[in-house]
Amino acid sequence: GAVVSQHPSRVICKSGTSVKIECRSLDFQATTMFWYRQFPKQSLMLMATSNEGSKATYEQGVEKDKFLINHASLTLSTLTVTSAHPEDSSFYICSAARVAGGRDNEQFFGPGTRLTVL
Amino acid sequence: GDSVTQMEGPVTLSEEAFLTINCTYTATGYPSLFWYVQYPGEGLQLLLKATKADDKGSNKGFEATYRKETTSFHLEKGSVQVSDSAVYFCALASGGSYIPTFGRGTSLIVHP
Repeated sequence: GAVVSQHPSRVICKSGTSVKIECRSLDFQATTMFWYRQFPKQSLMLMATSNEGSKATYEQGVEKDKFLINHASLTLSTLTVTSAHPEDSSFYICSAARVAGGRDNEQFFGPGTRLTVL
Repeated sequence: GDSVTQMEGPVTLSEEAFLTINCTYTATGYPSLFWYVQYPGEGLQLLLKATKADDKGSNKGFEATYRKETTSFHLEKGSVQVSDSAVYFCALASGGSYIPTFGRGTSLIVHP
């Protein structure tokens, strides 16, 4: 159980276009999902927290108009990279929290999406 | 604020060698501690976790013990395999938060 999927796994786009990445929790409901960005050989950087039915909370330095997040249901969150540029090329990973609060907290991570902007 | 410090890699070992990847942390309260593994081109998978002091997390031959007195959570494996080659991330989550703070990751390369 606790499987998170992402689609697409890889995407190549031209500069100036928009790209949508989907994150789905397949066998559980996730009131909260998270979007991370990972640069080569570096750790994960939390971009935003996505809450079902409300606006996402963005981390400092992350442009909310650039990275649009929509958490439409308890099993789906989408990240849209608008007007993508080569510097947006990265590995984007989502995760979903199954348990709200408590010490036994855990996130379940998706397999990631490799975005390449030409 | 919370932080995690991991030893820098890459760590290069021969198959069947003993592995230790050091991890220390700074946190308020009593965090939960995690090790995640990322295989090439994939997302993160939870490898093991410990939620209180002196707990030992274990999975697939890997172990880590939550040491509050030294604020450490070192990852160990007695005999590594080529298939263990990956990047390992130490992480913590404080209190009721389920947002981990990650270390920078340590790359492990195991040669036959």
